[in-house]
Amino acid sequence: NAGVTQTPKFQVLKTGQSMTLQCAQDMNHEYMSWYRQDPGMGLRLIHYSVGAGITDQGEVPNGYNVSRSTTEDFPLRLLSAAPSQTSVYFCASSYSRGGGISPLHFGNGTRLTVT
Amino acid sequence: RKEVEQDPGPFNVPEGATVAFNCTYSNSASQSFFWYRQDCRKEPKLLMSVYSSGNEDGRFTAQLNRASQYISLLIRDSKLSDSATYLCVVRGSGGGADGLTFGKGTHLIIQP
Repeated sequence: NAGVTQTPKFQVLKTGQSMTLQCAQDMNHEYMSWYRQDPGMGLRLIHYSVGAGITDQGEVPNGYNVSRSTTEDFPLRLLSAAPSQTSVYFCASSYSRGGGISPLHFGNGTRLTVT
Repeated sequence: RKEVEQDPGPFNVPEGATVAFNCTYSNSASQSFFWYRQDCRKEPKLLMSVYSSGNEDGRFTAQLNRASQYISLLIRDSKLSDSATYLCVVRGSGGGADGLTFGKGTHLIIQP
């Protein structure tokens, strides 16, 4: 059972480049989300999805797009990378919205540096 | 007042000691509470949920004080492997678009 799988683990981009962070889960979770974690800021929600075909914005959505075409996959796209997007990104999934019934399961993170 | 607040620490504690730390939340309507553990450069993992009556899991005890709006985590007989950052998570606090608000974490260092 792989759980939540994120790729890549590390990435370096130049300002203005675009890329997609991949996230897949094999637990049939309806809820998936993307967070970024910066020193002193804690985890901040970027986008989330409560099921296939449904996505919504979190507290820091600017510069990011998501889609949820299947239950398993929830990719995060950086449209035009900026140094302010240098961060550690975590994908998470859960049976219920907000992890109220089952815990959030996190992927092992993507460390992104934008130069 | 921030929605979920934690003392960032670090808490430096000798091995075998008991350590406790709190997390305060601002919204009295908050519904669910959790403690997550995050090791350095790793993903957060659920440590335990916090129930109204308090709950215990081995050396770990979590308690909720609704009147004063805080949750606590107590670790007895601390081990070197307990060194980590402990994140408080509150559901239904009004913050977070998906209803979850994370604290910034308390850094715990267990010293031999």
